[in-house]
Amino acid sequence: NAGVTQTPKFRVLKTGQSMTLLCAQDMNHEYMYWYRQDPGMGLRLIHYSVGEGTTAKGEVPDGYNVSRLKKQNFLLGLESAAPSQTSVYFCASSFGLPWDQPQHFGDGTRLSIL
Amino acid sequence: DAKTTQPTSMDCAEGRAANLPCNHSTISGNEYVYWYRQIHSQGPQYIIHGLKNNETNEMASLIITEDRKSSTLILPHATLRDTAVYYCIASNFGNEKLTFGTGTRLTIIP
Repeated sequence: NAGVTQTPKFRVLKTGQSMTLLCAQDMNHEYMYWYRQDPGMGLRLIHYSVGEGTTAKGEVPDGYNVSRLKKQNFLLGLESAAPSQTSVYFCASSFGLPWDQPQHFGDGTRLSIL
Repeated sequence: DAKTTQPTSMDCAEGRAANLPCNHSTISGNEYVYWYRQIHSQGPQYIIHGLKNNETNEMASLIITEDRKSSTLILPHATLRDTAVYYCIASNFGNEKLTFGTGTRLTIIP
C-alpha cells in the first residue's frame, strides 16, 4: 500500500533550470495538493486539483505550474527555478473535500536552488 | 476558515497524557476542527477531526468545548515517537483546501 509517492526525494538545481516534481497516489482520490514548507514555517498551498483535468491556484502559485492529466498523478513544474523556491515540497491527496476528509501526505521532495 | 491559536511549544513526560490546546474563538457552525502532526521532516499525518462532539480514535482524543471556541487534543500515553509539530486547523464546509499554521512543537521527555 504505497499511498502518496513523491519523485524525486532530493534535487539540486541551478538558477534558471527547469524541472518537474511528480506525485502519484494509489487510493483513487479525487483531490490532490502541492504545498511548500520553508524552515520554521507551516505548510503553504501552491496549487491543487479537485479532479482529473482540473487545477486551481493556492496561496503561493507564482513561479509554478501544475497538471493533472491522470487522476492518480499531479505534476508540479518549475519553469525557471529561483533561489526563493528552495524548499521542501509536499504532495497530498484526499477522497473528498478537506473539511470532511483527511489529507494523506507524501514524504516530501527537498529542493535546493543554487 | 477561522483563525486558530496554539502555543508555540510544550513538553510532556513520557507515559503521561499530552494535552494540546487550540483556540478557535471565531469558528463558525460549519467548521470542523482538524488535527495533524508532522514528525521531524516527514509529511504531515492526519490524527483526528470533529465538529461538535468529542471524538476518539486509536491515536488520540479530541475534546471540543460546548461553545466550540476551543479544543484539546489528548494523547493518552505519550511516547518518544509522539515528539512532533501538531497543527490545529479549522476548515469550513465546502472549503477545498486546508490552511496550516505554525502549530505546537511537542517534545516528549524521557
